[in-house]
Amino acid sequence: AQSVTQLDSHVSVSEGTPVLLRCNYSSSYSPSLFWYVQHPNKGLQLLLKYTSAATLVKGINGFEAEFKKSETSFHLTKPSAHMSDAAEYFCVVSVNTNAGKSTFGDGTTLTVKP
Amino acid sequence: DTEVTQTPKHLVMGMTNKKSLKCEQHMGHRAMYWYKQKAKKPPELMFVYSYEKLSINESVPSRFSPECPNSSLLNLHLHALQPEDSALYLCASSPPDRGHISEQYFGPGTRLTVT
Repeated sequence: AQSVTQLDSHVSVSEGTPVLLRCNYSSSYSPSLFWYVQHPNKGLQLLLKYTSAATLVKGINGFEAEFKKSETSFHLTKPSAHMSDAAEYFCVVSVNTNAGKSTFGDGTTLTVKP
Repeated sequence: DTEVTQTPKHLVMGMTNKKSLKCEQHMGHRAMYWYKQKAKKPPELMFVYSYEKLSINESVPSRFSPECPNSSLLNLHLHALQPEDSALYLCASSPPDRGHISEQYFGPGTRLTVT
């Protein structure tokens, strides 16, 4: 079985300040982990993925995430928020034994204040 | 071409209508997915096609009927829907696994309203 918990349903930051979106996962097998972003009335876009290679993963638009097996976490960070980062963010876990099913977190709404 | 396209963007239909949603990708992906997403919620998996065969049906009501005519195209046929079926319907595709789970590429979605 697998599960994912996004620890904050809403995060608000000021433009130019760091962003931290937290994700914890649970999996009986070695997981693949993903962060997706969804802007209003749009589809989801992949930000980055972890697939058992380097534990620090760099993604698009300056985002990165670190896979910490001991803490079962995969937190998303960005050094400096931009207004265009305001969106919904989903942490997703998948395992090879689950026949193509991914488990989505409930999402975190990021608000960026000018 | 690195995108998934979906048509129509918006659809309003009555409870007795029959309509179809269309999804297309030309990335050579062999897995395709339908998701339903309600406002402020994560996407919920409905169907998965792998190599044009239905591999997962998440106990979706029969008023939703998926079809995969070829490796690039995925349809979702709708009939006798209920107002609670109103949602954003997302299509996604993913490349073949290479020893790990691949990422999914999502289309922009079809906003469905059932009246």
